[in-house]
Amino acid sequence: AQSVTQLGSHVSVSEGALVLLRCNYSSSVPPYLFWYVQYPNQGLQLLLKYTSAATLVKGINGFEAEFKKSETSFHLTKPSAHMSDAAEYFCAVSRTSGGYQKVTFGTGTKLQVIP
Amino acid sequence: GEEVAQTPKHLVRGEGQKAKLYCAPIKGHSYVFWYQQVLKNEFKFLISFQNENVFDETGMPKERFSAKCLPNSPCSLEIQATKLEDSAVYFCASSQLTGEKEKLFFGSGTQLSVL
Repeated sequence: AQSVTQLGSHVSVSEGALVLLRCNYSSSVPPYLFWYVQYPNQGLQLLLKYTSAATLVKGINGFEAEFKKSETSFHLTKPSAHMSDAAEYFCAVSRTSGGYQKVTFGTGTKLQVIP
Repeated sequence: GEEVAQTPKHLVRGEGQKAKLYCAPIKGHSYVFWYQQVLKNEFKFLISFQNENVFDETGMPKERFSAKCLPNSPCSLEIQATKLEDSAVYFCASSQLTGEKEKLFFGSGTQLSVL
């Protein structure tokens, strides 16, 4: 079984401040981990992914996440928030068998950026 | 095409009516996934296909939900006798068999409102 827990359904930061969105995972096998972003009335866009290579993963729009096995965490960070970062962020875990993956999403964290 | 195309964008049905949603995956992608997002919260996995074959249907409410992916046609998700609780955004995603197998590409969703 696999699952992700996102701590905090809403996070508010000031423009220019550090963004930290928390995600902890549970997986019986080495996981693939993802962060997706959803803008209003749109589908999900992949921000970054961890697939057992480097533990510090850099994504688009200045985001990065670090895989910490000892803490079963995959927190998303960005040094300086921009107004355009306001969106909903979903952490996800998957297990892959051959070409197929089953992805389990967290409940999402809504990021508000205050000018 | 280079994006997952979902139609219609919005669908309104009276309780008890049938709803049919369509998804055209990215050309060359072998896997298609359907997810249900209720109240902007978690993405619930419904069903996946490998080409025209059902691969994983563990998330499907079998009584009223059905899905198909036929050759040379968009995939479809059909809900017979809709209920109020079926109101949600339904997302389709596709992925490749080779290369970046773990990357899901999402459509922009179909908003189903059951009145």
